Amino acid sequence: AQSVSQHNHHVILSEAASLELGCNYSYGGTVNLFWYVQYPGQHLQLLLKYFSGDPLVKGIKGFEAEFIKSKFSFNLRKPSVQWSDTAEYFCAVSGYNYGQNFVFGPGTRLSVLP
Amino acid sequence: EAQVTQNPRYLITVTGKKLTVTCSQNMNHEYMSWYRQDPGLGLRQIYYSMNVEVTDKGDVPEGYKVSRKEKRNFPLILESPSPNQTSLYFCASQLMTGGVTEAFFGQGTRLTVV
Repeated sequence: AQSVSQHNHHVILSEAASLELGCNYSYGGTVNLFWYVQYPGQHLQLLLKYFSGDPLVKGIKGFEAEFIKSKFSFNLRKPSVQWSDTAEYFCAVSGYNYGQNFVFGPGTRLSVLP
Repeated sequence: EAQVTQNPRYLITVTGKKLTVTCSQNMNHEYMSWYRQDPGLGLRQIYYSMNVEVTDKGDVPEGYKVSRKEKRNFPLILESPSPNQTSLYFCASQLMTGGVTEAFFGQGTRLTVV
């Protein structure tokens, strides 16, 4: 079965620190890649997405992600985090070999200390 | 405004009492699905529907039913809820065009079964 893994269960950073959250997916041919954020008590919001083209994707709130096909990875980055970035982050993959379904990673909880 | 609407947002019920969580989308998407979110497991797909009267099991369908009588609505039915169905539920409506799949999520329903 297709799967998505996220490297960290819980990340704790101080404000202004740089962030990188890892995401790897199992081989599946052409894929669409997503990062979603879920703030405490809220629903999923799309941070950014990759369909094709430039592998460096910029999203909202200063986030970006890089698709590296050879590594089956789509890591999320932010140069300087804020307290308001405290949330849970989910990587997700969709595509033909996933049966048009979304497969989510288990999530990474980010805590930013003021 | 494009949106996916779930109701109710919060629900506490007792074991065995049938319940329905409604989901409605206004984007005329053919593909809709239900997910449950549990700590450390991310989002797992319960059921999906590729069109009216076409539904299929996802990864964790046991204890759930769905129906798709019209394109905009995709209710989730728990005929006899049990405590292990306590979870956060999300409905999604998916746009699929030109090999690209993108999901739009509802605000979630937090269900507690006692």
